[in-house]
Amino acid sequence: EDQVTQSPEALRLQEGESSSLNCSYTVSGLRGLFWYRQDPGKGPEFLFTLYSAGEEKEKERLKATLTKKESFLHITAPKPEDSATYLCAVQAVYSGGGADGLTFGKGTHLIIQP
Amino acid sequence: EAGVAQSPRYKIIEKRQSVAFWCNPISGHATLYWYQQILGQGPKLLIQFQNNGVVDDSQLPKDRFSAERLKGVDSTLKIQPAKLEDSAVYLCASSLGGTNTDTQYFGPGTRLTVL
Repeated sequence: EDQVTQSPEALRLQEGESSSLNCSYTVSGLRGLFWYRQDPGKGPEFLFTLYSAGEEKEKERLKATLTKKESFLHITAPKPEDSATYLCAVQAVYSGGGADGLTFGKGTHLIIQP
Repeated sequence: EAGVAQSPRYKIIEKRQSVAFWCNPISGHATLYWYQQILGQGPKLLIQFQNNGVVDDSQLPKDRFSAERLKGVDSTLKIQPAKLEDSAVYLCASSLGGTNTDTQYFGPGTRLTVL
């Protein structure tokens, strides 16, 4: 069974204070690892997809990295508008039937204080 | 480009009543998903459609939940009868569909409260 564990559950930072969020995963075969951002009352918003160990992707103040067992979301000099819940999800290799739903972690609730 | 549309946004019902949610995916997206997100948890897949066929419904509680995607576009998810533990946000997502890993785009969700 695919599993995703995110840590910490919650993180409070001062504006400009850089940090990292962790996503540990177990999956039979990884097709992709996804990061989403979710604001209160809204659906998840896509950020990144990582496919293989060693891959990195960046977007503004966010940088996602991937190893064979975990992924990190690095936040550099965050601003209050970066406050949100960050969700990590894995997609397993095709079983042959085309099923490709995502298995999500519980998320990290990030608060950036001015 | 218009995103995934869902309605209603909020619904409050009594236990044992029935309820239905509607989803309109991004135009041209062949694959449609329904997820359930309980407060404080990540979304959990309920069912996946490819066009109008079911690909995966292994986590759908079939004694009370049903879903359809007639004509391969819009979809409805129904709960009958509802239980207290069904209180959650129901998210619809869509993707282009294909052999490569596709990005799933989510709608705003329907928040269901069962009293």
